[in-house]
Amino acid sequence: GAGVSQSPSNKVTEKGKDVELRCDPISGHTALYWYRQSLGQGLEFLIYFQGNSAPDKSGLPSDRFSAERTGGSVSTLTIQRTQQEDSAVYLCASSFIAGVADTQYFGPGTRLTVL
Amino acid sequence: AQKVTQAQTEISVVEKEDVTLDCVYETRDTTYYLFWYKQPPSGELVFLIRRNSFDEQNEISGRYSWNFQKSTSSFNFTITASQVVDSAVYFCALRGGNQGGKLIFGQGTELSVKP
Repeated sequence: GAGVSQSPSNKVTEKGKDVELRCDPISGHTALYWYRQSLGQGLEFLIYFQGNSAPDKSGLPSDRFSAERTGGSVSTLTIQRTQQEDSAVYLCASSFIAGVADTQYFGPGTRLTVL
Repeated sequence: AQKVTQAQTEISVVEKEDVTLDCVYETRDTTYYLFWYKQPPSGELVFLIRRNSFDEQNEISGRYSWNFQKSTSSFNFTITASQVVDSAVYFCALRGGNQGGKLIFGQGTELSVKP
């Protein structure tokens, strides 16, 4: 498809397990962003990539969270030793470049539930 | 610091009524962009509009219009003759020229349009 895709759409895991969330950006978009949406915190920025580099990781809540992007395309967000407070919808977005004017287009999200 | 405030948590209107969603922002950047996104029940964030800090012209797109006023740091969104399909959560967001790639979102306004 032409839009941002994310997988899985839903993920249920047990506390303490590791999870990987995947994002496939719009073709030709060099910038990729991860956000988290939860009831208590709203929409929070996590990290963004320009190409394979991550100039801003300031939103990652702890060192249990990491993300990588290889080949300037697909990105994976990994959460180690999941906790219940990690339960949220994880949204990925992409834009042509990471310029201030560039519009970010969002994927459908991955709903993570930690039991 | 950058901040976006959407003071209206929930709004309920009857179809064909006009409704205005408020957005107030704070930033020290002289160059910045403001955005509105719609999140229907399906969950995906849909881009509606982008406005830069140097362009205070109001914009109209069909039933949608936006009023940007730098003097009051506001970027309000009006839906004319609302329809049931307009029911969604609407987010206002800010991206500053010196803040890298991230969008700062307001808490969102849930609009319910009843038939």
